[in-house]
Amino acid sequence: ETGVTQTPRHLVMGMTNKKSLKCEQHLGHNAMYWYKQSAKKPLELMFVYSLEERVENNSVPSRFSPECPNSSHLFLHLHTLQPEDSALYLCASSQAGAKGETQYFGPGTRLLVL
Amino acid sequence: DAKTTQPPSMDCAEGRAANLPCNHSTISGNEYVYWYRQIHSQGPQYIIHGLKNNETNEMASLIITEDRKSSTLILPHATLRDTAVYYCILLPYSGAGSYQLTFGKGTKLSVIP
Repeated sequence: ETGVTQTPRHLVMGMTNKKSLKCEQHLGHNAMYWYKQSAKKPLELMFVYSLEERVENNSVPSRFSPECPNSSHLFLHLHTLQPEDSALYLCASSQAGAKGETQYFGPGTRLLVL
Repeated sequence: DAKTTQPPSMDCAEGRAANLPCNHSTISGNEYVYWYRQIHSQGPQYIIHGLKNNETNEMASLIITEDRKSSTLILPHATLRDTAVYYCILLPYSGAGSYQLTFGKGTKLSVIP
């Protein structure tokens, strides 16, 4: 096990729904990430939190809203999504500032937007 | 664009060593060589990383050439569970977090019974 858990593992939602993805890391890390991976695109970084502060937001649409209440938990709030948002959403964590920083991934949430 | 080049696919017999090559001829002095793998529809799994010395852990060994322009990931005794796409990537050490991982197309390793 990687020490990073994600729930739910699968999610089907309509375009008018509101849902949240949850990520929890048990590794004592101080940085957490949201990535999107779709079938036809490479891994895309969405958000980074370091020491609970958002440090990078790669022009992600506002229908995705992250929240990092503490260094162990990360949420991705979803509302009015589009079918093209269907993808595997991956959470990762790392120890920011460590030499040879390694990101550890959770199993992902497979999202289908109808 | 990924700075590494890997063969698109490889086969390996179960129980034999799997040797996965990676070319990174434009690697910078402060870039580490990292290996991840991804089993279908699962999150990427960290395997190993190194700077210039060979490295070994419980999963694999990493051999980096002296000029650092290429490396080889070795799975000493491949099992069916090692069937996955293997990604070789370069990450700089910035001291403040390397942030985005960029995966290329990787090598699809098929372990055959």
